[in-house]
Formats: sequence, structure tokens, C-alpha cells
Amino acid sequence: NAGVTQTPKFQVLKTGQSMTLQCAQDMNHNSMYWYRQDPGMGLRLIYYSASEGTTDKGEVPNGYNVSRLNKREFSLRLESAAPSQTSVYFCASSDWQQGATYEQYFGPGTRLTVT
Amino acid sequence: SQKIEQNSEALNIQEGKTATLTCNYTNYSPAYLQWYRQDPGRGPVFLLLIRENEKEKRKERLKVTFDTTLKQSLFHITASQPADSATYLCARGYKLSFGAGTTVTVRA
Repeated sequence: NAGVTQTPKFQVLKTGQSMTLQCAQDMNHNSMYWYRQDPGMGLRLIYYSASEGTTDKGEVPNGYNVSRLNKREFSLRLESAAPSQTSVYFCASSDWQQGATYEQYFGPGTRLTVT
Repeated sequence: SQKIEQNSEALNIQEGKTATLTCNYTNYSPAYLQWYRQDPGRGPVFLLLIRENEKEKRKERLKVTFDTTLKQSLFHITASQPADSATYLCARGYKLSFGAGTTVTVRA
């Protein structure tokens, strides 16, 4: 099992450019998440998908869109990148059982720099 | 909003000693708290989950407590080793709300 995979690992964008971060999991989990991690601020939830076909905003959704393509894949899109979106992005998945989410499994992260 | 705070940014300890990390939360008690470990350049890895009706949970040299009166969870690493050096994150809720983390450095 590869667990949670993310592509790309690194990316440099110019202000105003767009890009999509890809995430896939092979654990048959229902729920998937996108976080960003900035120094001193911890991980903050951008968007999540409780199950295939649903998506909801997290704490910091502005400037991002997501697509739950199927049960395995959850992508994050930056339509017009801004320097404030320079961060490390993590995708995670978990198994939703009886309304209680158990541990989350994280991917290796994408390091994004916007100049 | 449901805040979660980890008091110390960094903790340096001698090998063999016990490291104790603190996680405080605001507002209502979460049904459970989770603790994760993160190594540099990697994603967090789940360690332990403790429910509000559990006072204590153990896994090998790790111990977590949950005090709903103090609105606090303590995370202990006993008999610490240099390999325990990492950042430890506390999180609440199903849409995990994370603390900023405490970086532990264990000196040989």
C-alpha cells in the first residue's frame, strides 16, 4: 500500500498563475482533507470531503477550490496564486465510522512557493 | 471558534528523562483528542487518540491524559531517546483543529 500520495512534491509559481495539487489514497477511506502548514501556525484545514460526492469548507478556504474526483482522489486548485499561499500543503484521509472520525493518514506534502 | 494551544514551542531534554507536553483547548470539551508526530519534511503520523471518558491511554513509552476539568491533555514520552526528537501535534475534532506543535529535542 502506498497510503496517501501527493504530486508534485515541489512547485514554484508566479503570482496569478494557476495549478492543481493532486492527492490519492489507496486505503478505501471515505473522508479526505487538504491542510496547509505555515511556520508557527500549525496545520489549518482548507477543505474536506466527508464522502465521495461531497465537499465542505474548512478554516481557510479562500483562494482555493477542490474536486473529489472519485473515492480515491481529491484535488486542490489554486486559480490565481498569491504570495500568501506560499506554504506546505498536506492531503490526508480517514475512515468515517458511525459519525466519529478516527486517525488521519497524511501524505508527504507539497512545498509551494509563490513569487 | 474551538481553539487548541500547545504551550511550548520547544522542549530540550536529556536522554532517559521524561518529556511532558501540554495541550489546552477552549470552549466545550471535544469528544476526543489526537496526538501526532511530525518529522522534518514529512507529514504528521498518528500516535494516540484519547476519548473524553478516558483518563489515560498508553502505547509503549507514550502516555496521554485527558482532564476535562482543566481542559487539558498531557503527552508524556518516558525513557526518552534521541530517536524521539520530532515535533508533536495535538488535535481536536473530526475536522482536525491542530495546535502549533511542540518540538522535542532529546540530547544523548
